[in-house]
Amino acid sequence: AQSVTQLDSHVSVSEGTPVLLRCNYSSSYSPSLFWYVQHPNKGLQLLLKYTSAATLVKGINGFEAEFKKSETSFHLTKPSAHMSDAAEYFCVVSDPRRHNNNDMRFGAGTRLTVKP
Amino acid sequence: EPEVTQTPSHQVTQMGQEVILRCVPISNHLYFYWYRQILGQKVEFLVSFYNNEISEKSEIFDDQFSVERPDGSNFTLKIRSTKLEDSAMYFCASKRTAADTEAFFGQGTRLTVV
Repeated sequence: AQSVTQLDSHVSVSEGTPVLLRCNYSSSYSPSLFWYVQHPNKGLQLLLKYTSAATLVKGINGFEAEFKKSETSFHLTKPSAHMSDAAEYFCVVSDPRRHNNNDMRFGAGTRLTVKP
Repeated sequence: EPEVTQTPSHQVTQMGQEVILRCVPISNHLYFYWYRQILGQKVEFLVSFYNNEISEKSEIFDDQFSVERPDGSNFTLKIRSTKLEDSAMYFCASKRTAADTEAFFGQGTRLTVV
């Protein structure tokens, strides 16, 4: 079975300071991992994904995440927060063996607040 | 850029009424999903659909729920007799092929049962 834990339900940073959103996963197989962002009244937008290639993954809007197998982590980072980054962020683990079925498990989400 | 669209964005219904949530997946996608998110809780899988039949469904997806692809473009979720606990955000998603790791999500429909 696979699961994902987002360690913080709410993170607050000041504009221009670094962002760290933490995610730990559990999977019996080499997983695919994703970060999605949800802005208010918007759908889920893919920020980045890890699919067993480079362990440091760069995404849109300056976000990146590093897959660390030894720590079973996939933390999301950004060097400098922008006001427009305020949103809900979801870490998702996928079992690539189960593509056409329910292969995605969502974390509980982390709400990022950016203060001016 | 192609996107998954869902209608309506917000639906209010009385308990016991039937509701149909509509989704238009990306046109060349073949795999379709419904997820829901009760306020303050995780996004949960409901059902996956491929080749005009359900591939997998969760425990949540009981006899009150059904899905249909009536016309080759729409993908609908029907709740026959809504309960208060059905109030949630419902997300539709689609993938082009089984090998694609990324699913594309719609903006969601917020269902409120009163």
